[in-house]
Amino acid sequence: EDQVTQSPEALRLQEGESSSLNCSYTVSGLRGLFWYRQDPGKGPEFLFTLYSAGEEKEKERLKATLTKKESFLHITAPKPEDSATYLCAVQAFYSGTYKYIFGTGTRLKVLA
Amino acid sequence: DSGVTQTPKHLITATGQRVTLRCSPRSGDLSVYWYQQSLDQGLQFLIQYYNGEERAKGNILERFSAQQFPDLHSELNLSSLELGDSALYFCASSAYKNSPLHFGNGTRLTVT
Repeated sequence: EDQVTQSPEALRLQEGESSSLNCSYTVSGLRGLFWYRQDPGKGPEFLFTLYSAGEEKEKERLKATLTKKESFLHITAPKPEDSATYLCAVQAFYSGTYKYIFGTGTRLKVLA
Repeated sequence: DSGVTQTPKHLITATGQRVTLRCSPRSGDLSVYWYQQSLDQGLQFLIQYYNGEERAKGNILERFSAQQFPDLHSELNLSSLELGDSALYFCASSAYKNSPLHFGNGTRLTVT
């Protein structure tokens, strides 16, 4: 069964304390892996797309990497404004359409 | 700004009533997905349309229905509303193959 698992469920960091979020997946025919940021009461905001193992993408303090079984979102020297829920999703094609499977997210809190 | 527009932002109604949520996808995106997110819960996939045709159904109740119109906007109809239907409802669109979903900011439905 296609599945996306994110860990940890919640993470508290001090400002400037770097860390990584994990997204492990089992899916047939991966078409892409996507990272999102979601603030309370808002829609998920698209961050990165990764397509193949070894690929890396960066944006400000965030860096996403992809292996054959998992993806990491590295947060370098985080600031309080990085506090949010980070979601991982994979796209797969079956039953004639493209489907997106989301993880349940990592709730990140960065303390000043 | 994701380019996906949802209206209304907030909706308060009584049990037993019917409401319609509206979504305008990003320009050029043919595929629309609807999700439900209850308090502190993950995204639950409801239904997907591609260029006016239903392509996939998720955990959508029989009291709920949707359609996508020739101009590609979509509507989600919720009827015989119950207290448990209170949630954030998100619409997302994609360019389909190998593309991320782009989310609107949702409609917050409160059933009293």
